[in-house]
Amino acid sequence: QKEVEQNSGPLSVPEGAIASLNCTYSDRGSQSFFWYRQYSGKSPELIMFIYSNGDKEDGRFTAQLNKASQYVSLLIRDSQPSDSATYLCAGNQAGTALIFGKGTTLSVSS
Amino acid sequence: KAGVTQTPRYLIKTRGQQVTLSCSPISGHRSVSWYQQTPGQGLQFLFEYFSETQRNKGNFPGRFSGRQFSNSRSEMNVSTLELGDSALYLCASSLAVGQETQYFGPGTRLLVL
Repeated sequence: QKEVEQNSGPLSVPEGAIASLNCTYSDRGSQSFFWYRQYSGKSPELIMFIYSNGDKEDGRFTAQLNKASQYVSLLIRDSQPSDSATYLCAGNQAGTALIFGKGTTLSVSS
Repeated sequence: KAGVTQTPRYLIKTRGQQVTLSCSPISGHRSVSWYQQTPGQGLQFLFEYFSETQRNKGNFPGRFSGRQFSNSRSEMNVSTLELGDSALYLCASSLAVGQETQYFGPGTRLLVL
């Protein structure tokens, strides 16, 4: 059973802090990883994806991938109250369906 | 470019009935995936269609079925509804099978009474 695991949270951080969201996966064949953000009552929206080991930065967001440890993370710098949402981690092998974690709820207090 | 659209947005059915949900992908996208989202199980993959063919399938009973038309629009059907089928049904489109960037529609919220 291929699984993607995330702490459900809630993860609470003050405004301006760095939020660190983590994800582990069981399928060593997984090649691509995605972070989605889902606001309450809305559908998921893609934040970023990562294929290669190391870091990938996009604005205030940095995704990190460590395939040897089967670990993916998302860092959000200068967290804002508008970042409060559920963050979904997903992964897949090429040509296969995305497998999602259950999500981590982030709460940013002002 | 218009996003993914799903109809209807809300639906109330009773046990034993069947339901059909519709999804129109982003123009040019040929792959459509369907997911069920519930508070307890999270986002679970149902199936993926590409060029009118089912390419991937999740672990759902045969009561859940789908199809894709030549214009890439997709429908999913749930027969003999159960209370546990109450969920948010999301469809996502992408350029190709397993393509990295999936764009989600707003979802259809189904309530089974």
